[in-house]
Amino acid sequence: EAGVTQFPSHSVIEKGQTVTLRCDPISGHDNLYWYRRVMGKEIKFLLHFVKESKQDESGMPNNRFLAERTGGTYSTLKVQPAELEDSGVYFCASSQSAGTGYGYTFGSGTRLTVV
Amino acid sequence: AQKVTQAQTEISVVEKEDVTLDCVYETRDTTYYLFWYKQPPSGELVFLIRRNSFDEQNEISGRYSWNFQKSTSSFNFTITASQVVDSAVYFCALSTGGFKTIFGAGTRLFVKA
Repeated sequence: EAGVTQFPSHSVIEKGQTVTLRCDPISGHDNLYWYRRVMGKEIKFLLHFVKESKQDESGMPNNRFLAERTGGTYSTLKVQPAELEDSGVYFCASSQSAGTGYGYTFGSGTRLTVV
Repeated sequence: AQKVTQAQTEISVVEKEDVTLDCVYETRDTTYYLFWYKQPPSGELVFLIRRNSFDEQNEISGRYSWNFQKSTSSFNFTITASQVVDSAVYFCALSTGGFKTIFGAGTRLFVKA
């Protein structure tokens, strides 16, 4: 079974530019999550999709961040315009079952550096 | 409020030493789940274990063992006879009602040959 795939693995952009991160979950996983780790701190929740619908986007930092999940398959996370504090590692995870108690399958993350 | 604290930022040991990674959690929920994830140098987060709040039995898997104590709200992780391949960042995490998981800041483990 293919795992969760994220690309790019690294991205370096200038402040003010736009970056789009992509996540391909495990096939058949309805639940897709985005998390972010900034400056070696905690990994923090950004949002949760169930199929193509946003179940919870309470962790999105501000309106410069836009997440979509086309047709309930892959998801994109766009940052526009990027700011220095957006630098960090963005993780995507998916799970077949929803709710607590189920470990996620994570991707390798996208390391975003805004200069 | 829900919180996970991993007080050890970095630990360095010599191969074959035992090492314990501490995790303390806070939650008012009576039903919750605790997790450990490993992040090796390749970057992905690897699921290691899940424990629910009603099961306080300790678990052993090879060189890994976990000690869950509700009385102290701790879920510590011990690696016995550490190896260089154990070098990674380890995250403790908590999940209660809903879909979010709360992670600790992680402990970076260096195992020297």
